[in-house]
Amino acid sequence: EIVLTQSPGTLSLSPGERATLSCRASQSVSSSSLAWYQQKPGQAPRLLIYGASSRAAGIPDRFSGSGSGTDFTLTISRLEPEDFAVYYCQQYGSSPTFGQGTKVEIK
Amino acid sequence: EVQLVQSGAEVKKPGESLKISCKGSGYSFTSYWIGWVRQMPGKGLEWMGIIYPGDSDTRYSPSFQGQVTISADKSISTAYLQWSSLKASDTAIYYCARSAGYSSSNRYFKHWGQGSLVTVSS
Repeated sequence: EIVLTQSPGTLSLSPGERATLSCRASQSVSSSSLAWYQQKPGQAPRLLIYGASSRAAGIPDRFSGSGSGTDFTLTISRLEPEDFAVYYCQQYGSSPTFGQGTKVEIK
Repeated sequence: EVQLVQSGAEVKKPGESLKISCKGSGYSFTSYWIGWVRQMPGKGLEWMGIIYPGDSDTRYSPSFQGQVTISADKSISTAYLQWSSLKASDTAIYYCARSAGYSSSNRYFKHWGQGSLVTVSS
């Protein structure tokens, strides 16, 4: 089973700042089968990125994904108030798993 | 519009059985995987398993194999997650979610249900 480790656990930033979230896999993720989700309190997760770098429909272009193999990054270029949330990466290869999450909080 | 509507909150005692549901609408139910995701109180997301209603192909996470059963009734476009004997540690929100497509490269979750809260307490 592939273990995904997200860092940092918590990111304290101000609106307008850039957020860089990391997701590291214990072994190579096949065909860049890596997705990112956003979850706000009391809500279901929402798909942001799939295929490591493709934005889902309706996702603002301030969200971008990159990486391959074992190292992946989600970047939010300029944080908006609605972006403060928890973010999860997921590999959806042979036995899918989620990372433990990164909380982006207001500084 | 794709919708996944889950059954309501449940309060059960340890040892009891339970089956929760997820009804899909707005798309061809048999053409996409439906998965289940657990979120324990204050914790992260855990992938439990998926089912392809078209042929009932079912895959489980090793962590959940033997602990739960995933099924689907394509005649009523509904997927299920069931337990035969609940434990207090099964207390969590359970989400169903639909894949983007059939192939492995599309098996991420594009659409999510609203979640079903299961509380197991004596």
